[in-house]
Amino acid sequence: GQNIDQPTEMTATEGAIVQINCTYQTSGFNGLFWYQQHAGEAPTFLSYNVLDGLEEKGRFSSFLSRSKGYSYLLLKELQMKDSASYLCAVDSNYQLIWGAGTKLIIKP
Amino acid sequence: DADVTQTPRNRITKTGKRIMLECSQTKGHDRMYWYRQDPGLGLRLIYYSFDVKDINKGEISDGYSVSRQAQAKFSLSLESAIPNQTALYFCAIMDPRGQEDTQYFGPGTRLTVL
Repeated sequence: GQNIDQPTEMTATEGAIVQINCTYQTSGFNGLFWYQQHAGEAPTFLSYNVLDGLEEKGRFSSFLSRSKGYSYLLLKELQMKDSASYLCAVDSNYQLIWGAGTKLIIKP
Repeated sequence: DADVTQTPRNRITKTGKRIMLECSQTKGHDRMYWYRQDPGLGLRLIYYSFDVKDINKGEISDGYSVSRQAQAKFSLSLESAIPNQTALYFCAIMDPRGQEDTQYFGPGTRLTVL
């Protein structure tokens, strides 16, 4: 079967760094996505990895290891507005397989 | 203007009623998707379409039907709504010609079936 695992909830402090992990087992792999979703709103695209390594975009970075079926999203200099759910998704044969999301709570 | 619009944004209905959720896009992308999202679960694919004549079932198509009236429009119907279809429904589009197969989402429709 196809499976995406990520922690249900994480808590971090404003100004700190947090790493959200995602492990996957899918029948195909054409890339891994991270999306941000605020409560009651649509997911918005954050990052895409198809090759191993780190992709950096401002305060957000995403890492992929295809051999380990593993990715993480790194958020630096956390701000209160970063409180949201973070969804990991794998492109498997042109369909996205979604994790359940990690709810990130930011405390002052 | 938003690239993907969904109507209605909120709907409350009763068991057994027929409901249609509509999705329109202005990007001219071929691929369109319907998902539902339930608390604690990931997005689950209901139906997807690669063009007007290409409709495919997703993971949870039972109880749903779709219509791709034009490249820009993709509608989801619940022929006889039941309470466990209460969920947040998202339409998404994707341009496969892009460097990455990124999906872009509409604002969502919150459906409650009583």
